Amino acid sequence: DAGVTQSPTHLIKTRGQQVTLRCSPKSGHDTVSWYQQALGQGPQFIFQYYEEEERQRGNFPDRFSGHQFPNYSSELNVNALLLGDSALYLCASSFGGQGGRETQYFGPGTRLLVL
Amino acid sequence: SQQGEEDPQALSIQEGENATMNCSYKTSINNLQWYRQNSGRGLVHLILIRSNEREKHSGRLRVTLDTSKKSSSLLITASRAADTASYFCATAPYGNKLVFGAGTILRVKS
Repeated sequence: DAGVTQSPTHLIKTRGQQVTLRCSPKSGHDTVSWYQQALGQGPQFIFQYYEEEERQRGNFPDRFSGHQFPNYSSELNVNALLLGDSALYLCASSFGGQGGRETQYFGPGTRLLVL
Repeated sequence: SQQGEEDPQALSIQEGENATMNCSYKTSINNLQWYRQNSGRGLVHLILIRSNEREKHSGRLRVTLDTSKKSSSLLITASRAADTASYFCATAPYGNKLVFGAGTILRVKS
């Protein structure tokens, strides 16, 4: 049973560039949430996708956007990268749009460094 | 904004000892969850306790929830070096998003 997978594992970009991160949810799950975790902090909710729509959004600017595909996989796009976007980006999957109301299964994360 | 606040920020114990971490939160909750994170990698779900439950066990883990005090505790008994990690509590006070605290860093010395 495949768990949550994320790609790439590491990424280095320069300020002003754009980045796309990818996530495949756990088998049987249809809901994907994205979190940003800065060093020494807890994860911060970016947004959640369910039925190919953004269902809930955290306090992140429009530079952060996403997409969910018919196979439930998801992408996180960040435009005009800032140094402060350097973080571990975590994807979490769940079922039925429940999100935080039930157990979420996290992927290993993508570590983004912006120079 | 952080809903959960873990205490202590860091904890160092000897192998075999018990480790207790506390979490306080601000608003009413449906459930409270505890997660573990090893070396800045993905989070692993440990246990979910619902608002109508007071205590829950899973192996060497014991979680309590006191909704009147808006607090929870995680007890790890007979700790092992492999328990060295960061531990986070999380709640979902606003819709479906999980809100995490800053975490407790646990170091178990062998």
